[in-house]
Amino acid sequence: RKEVEQDPGPFNVPEGATVAFNCTYSNSASQSFFWYRQDCRKEPKLLMSVYSSGNEDGRFTAQLNRASQYISLLIRDSKLSDSATYLCVVNTEISGYSTLTFGKGTMLLVSP
Amino acid sequence: NAGVTQTPKFRVLKTGQSMTLLCAQDMNHEYMYWYRQDPGMGLRLIHYSVGEGTTAKGEVPDGYNVSRLKKQNFLLGLESAAPSQTSVYFCASSSYEQYFGPGTRLTVT
Repeated sequence: RKEVEQDPGPFNVPEGATVAFNCTYSNSASQSFFWYRQDCRKEPKLLMSVYSSGNEDGRFTAQLNRASQYISLLIRDSKLSDSATYLCVVNTEISGYSTLTFGKGTMLLVSP
Repeated sequence: NAGVTQTPKFRVLKTGQSMTLLCAQDMNHEYMYWYRQDPGMGLRLIHYSVGEGTTAKGEVPDGYNVSRLKKQNFLLGLESAAPSQTSVYFCASSSYEQYFGPGTRLTVT
């Protein structure tokens, strides 16, 4: 089983739509979770951390379900500028040190 | 602040040539990382460092070496480049969340 799994998409949605991405992770000991955004030919940038109680940042809402090892990202009122690849990221312990494991990403295309 | 910078931005190498990619960060982060990103493969960790003078292997370390002589710099070396090392290389640093450099696009012919 892959450590972090995401639907690669693409998700094609019109402006104004609500879209949700899901992610599952295999390491039940993982403690930290993030969503990153990556534009074409650019570096990944942190979108938001994901907290156990769920958290919201403007149009973006992240949820964590530890029992199911499942993370979600909800984008409301999609904008053209939201078009990007969204990476689900989970911390992993390697030799006692924490590193991040990245999903392969879900591509979002928002059209006029 | 510049954040995380990488040099060079682009490079073309011939098989067997060597090169060093430089990563610099000005955020006083202890942790630094080198990743490669290939189509359909996502980001894969090559090597990482948890502090000045330390390095450790990640998921795909073969064919690469690294050094962290100064806290702000993390160097990635390719001693004998192979076409399989054609990729986009990202450096990152962190205290908690990771911040990435703009990437180096390397082509090995």
